[in-house]
Amino acid sequence: QVQLQQWGAGLLKPSETLSLTCAVYGGSFSSYYWNWIRQPPGKGLEWIGETSHSGSTNYNPSLKSRVTISVDTSKNQFSLNLSSVTAADTSVYYCAGRGIAMPGRRYDYWGQGILVTVSS
Amino acid sequence: DIQMTQSPSSLSASVGDRVTISCRASQSVSTYLNWYQQKPGKAPEVLIYAASNLQSGVPPRFSGSGSGTDFTLTISSLQVEDFATYYCQQSYTTPRTFGQGTKVEIK
Repeated sequence: QVQLQQWGAGLLKPSETLSLTCAVYGGSFSSYYWNWIRQPPGKGLEWIGETSHSGSTNYNPSLKSRVTISVDTSKNQFSLNLSSVTAADTSVYYCAGRGIAMPGRRYDYWGQGILVTVSS
Repeated sequence: DIQMTQSPSSLSASVGDRVTISCRASQSVSTYLNWYQQKPGKAPEVLIYAASNLQSGVPPRFSGSGSGTDFTLTISSLQVEDFATYYCQQSYTTPRTFGQGTKVEIK
């Protein structure tokens, strides 16, 4: 059974860089695409981007200029950096995994979520 | 981007009711359509994948149908634990996009 545990700073000032990390326990790290998804308080879900175990990435064009998703296969971890944050980036951030060979490209595994608040 | 539109945005229903939630894509997504359930303070959980396939461990009262641009999630007999928000998500292309959600409340 795959489990995801995420951590990072929960309070940022405008213009700072958001940094979150997600550790993967169980399963085969190389058998999944690893994703970041966010949800503003009381609102819907927005896909941020994903990485493969080899570091091949795909980003949402709406955030692409500010987003970097990286992977550390030695630790079975992947990370999100989002630069120049504003109040509009205040959200619960989730890490999630989808199996490379699984039909539907669905997100089977999710982290617990972290609320990141951007405020001066 | 492919826009996903759910209807209704919210509904009130009673235990035992049959509930139907619709999801429409702005262009064809074939059957690359997933449904998630989210309870307050929790991460979403997948219910249905590839439009009509029941995720392992999900009760059979949940079912999905559709292809192309129009999809439906049906709960055949609503249970107390089903009161939650439901999201559709297209996985046909990137960026992956979600519907705005349908909140199912107790009548």
